[in-house]
Amino acid sequence: NAGVMQNPRHLVRRRGQEARLRCSPMKGHSHVYWYRQLPEEGLKFMVYLQKENIIDESGMPKERFSAEFPKEGPSILRIQQVVRGDSAAYFCASTSGSRYEQYFGPGTRLTVT
Amino acid sequence: GEDVEQSLFLSVREGDSSVINCTYTDSSSTYLYWYKQEPGAGLQLLTYIFSNMDMKQDQRLTVLLNKKDKHLSLRIADTQTGDSAIYFCAEPYNQGGKLIFGQGTELSVKP
Repeated sequence: NAGVMQNPRHLVRRRGQEARLRCSPMKGHSHVYWYRQLPEEGLKFMVYLQKENIIDESGMPKERFSAEFPKEGPSILRIQQVVRGDSAAYFCASTSGSRYEQYFGPGTRLTVT
Repeated sequence: GEDVEQSLFLSVREGDSSVINCTYTDSSSTYLYWYKQEPGAGLQLLTYIFSNMDMKQDQRLTVLLNKKDKHLSLRIADTQTGDSAIYFCAEPYNQGGKLIFGQGTELSVKP
């Protein structure tokens, strides 16, 4: 049973470019959470999605960031016009809906140059 | 409010016990979690405890919960060098799905 998968593992973008981060949840899981870990900090919640629905986006920056979880395919976190402050590790976690077990992927480390 | 507090560093000798402490804010939290993060890796769910429990033991790990003081601890018995990592405690926010994490405690195990 494959775990949560994220790709790419490392992503380098120049300022102003777009970054697309993908997350495939564990088999049988239909709930996805995205978290961001800035250098030397803990994880901060960004967004919670179920298939085709955004449930809670209270942690998403108001501009440039968007997320989706289509009926088919992985969840996508999209960052438009990246800036240096977006450099961080982005993790997704999935759960079956039993909220006490969130399983994390290996993360995507985004570097903005 | 959302605030989970942990001390930042802990250093122990191999074979000793490690105790990592955490304080949380939401007294209605039904579960509390401990995650482990090794360098360059994701978070591994170590264990969790239901709020109606005072203690949970799982092999070398013991979790203690003091609801009155909103204090959670993780004890690792016979600490090994492979236990060196950052340990995060987390609580669900307002009984919802999203987790609020502490800053993480970096455990260093010296041979």
